[in-house]
Amino acid sequence: SAVISQKPSRDICQRGTSLTIQCQVDSQVTMMFWYRQQPGQSLTLIATANQGSEATYESGFVIDKFPISRPNLTFSTLTVSNMSPEDSSIYLCSVERTGENYGYTFGSGTRLTVV
Amino acid sequence: SQQGEEDPQALSIQEGENATMNCSYKTSINNLQWYRQNSGRGLVHLILIRSNEREKHSGRLRVTLDTSKKSSSLLITASRAADTASYFCATGSVGSGYALNFGKGTSLLVTP
Repeated sequence: SAVISQKPSRDICQRGTSLTIQCQVDSQVTMMFWYRQQPGQSLTLIATANQGSEATYESGFVIDKFPISRPNLTFSTLTVSNMSPEDSSIYLCSVERTGENYGYTFGSGTRLTVV
Repeated sequence: SQQGEEDPQALSIQEGENATMNCSYKTSINNLQWYRQNSGRGLVHLILIRSNEREKHSGRLRVTLDTSKKSSSLLITASRAADTASYFCATGSVGSGYALNFGKGTSLLVTP
């Protein structure tokens, strides 16, 4: 089953700056998913990243604010741009596991605090 | 958009007791999954039940699915302090590359 390495695990950033979060998967996957989890809340899908094409964003999320790269089948980055305190959240990437042990694997999350 | 709604939102029990969490959803699904999250870290997949299944077991976990009521329950038997975590149900489509839709979660506290 897929293993995801997500970096950084946490960061404290100044407002107005940007942070890039990386996810490396140990196997090739078609789709990667990026989620946001605001404090005390559930997960909300930001976008779906397919290698070789632009990411598909959910309502309320735009590419200028959350640009995503997907240069190959094992790697993706999410940038949180021009940050404000409202962006303080946990950001998680995820991939779908196919086969007998079907499910989704998540990165360990990036806890972002914007001050 | 979020589809699942869990209840209760918070549950506090003692070690050895059983914990039951419920989840309701709104649209047709291919499968329903339960995840655990410890202290705001990454999610761990616990169990998946397909829409044509009614009950599934995995160790101390028992999941039921009632598609007519669009609801599912997760039972953790003989709970342990290490079971303290947030539990989320999520609905999805098998093998289609679609992202999961998560419920709001149940925060479980198991005290020694």
